Amino acid sequence: DTGVSQDPRHKITKRGQNVTFRCDPISEHNRLYWYRQTLGQGPEFLTYFQNEAQLEKSRLLSDRFSAERPKGSFSTLEIQRTEQGDSAMYLCATQRNPGYEQYFGPGTRLTVT
Amino acid sequence: GEDVEQSLFLSVREGDSSVINCTYTDSSSTYLYWYKQEPGAGLQLLTYIFSNMDMKQDQRLTVLLNKKDKHLSLRIADTQTGDSAIYFCAESQENTGFQKLVFGTGTRLLVSP
Repeated sequence: DTGVSQDPRHKITKRGQNVTFRCDPISEHNRLYWYRQTLGQGPEFLTYFQNEAQLEKSRLLSDRFSAERPKGSFSTLEIQRTEQGDSAMYLCATQRNPGYEQYFGPGTRLTVT
Repeated sequence: GEDVEQSLFLSVREGDSSVINCTYTDSSSTYLYWYKQEPGAGLQLLTYIFSNMDMKQDQRLTVLLNKKDKHLSLRIADTQTGDSAIYFCAESQENTGFQKLVFGTGTRLLVSP
């Protein structure tokens, strides 16, 4: 257990529905990252927060995706109008600033039917 | 370009040494990482090495870095069945003060008794 928690651990939804995932970081870690991992691949970067500010977004993050970190602590990732291609493991990682170690949560596995 | 490559599969016997290899492309990467992922779980940070080092040892783990060839390896001594997992190599890309990790596709290590 790294101290990073994610909720839910599993989510099954029908195509077209909206889903929201939550990440709770290690306390005092003010850097927070979201990654997506599809089957048989390594994680891919989605977005980055420094405190409450979203400072970087990947091209993978389409307009249907939105992420927030309202008070610089927990973060949410919402996917609107889900598609089957959104099925993946969504991983959150947190990091102290300054620091070089990213600690990952257990992930939320999304299945879109 | 961003491309981290790893061999897909490695099988060893318990008690043997395992060597997992990785090549990366970004010569400006300052840190290189090894993560372990067990089935259905998030990523566990095993170790990392700063780009100005050639070697780092941490108990049963030895990391070797050949910066000229952009080659990274992870040696696990006295491999145990509990080491069976997927191992990911990652390079860090420092963008305006944050670290984006770029992962390989992972090497599945199978340790047989």
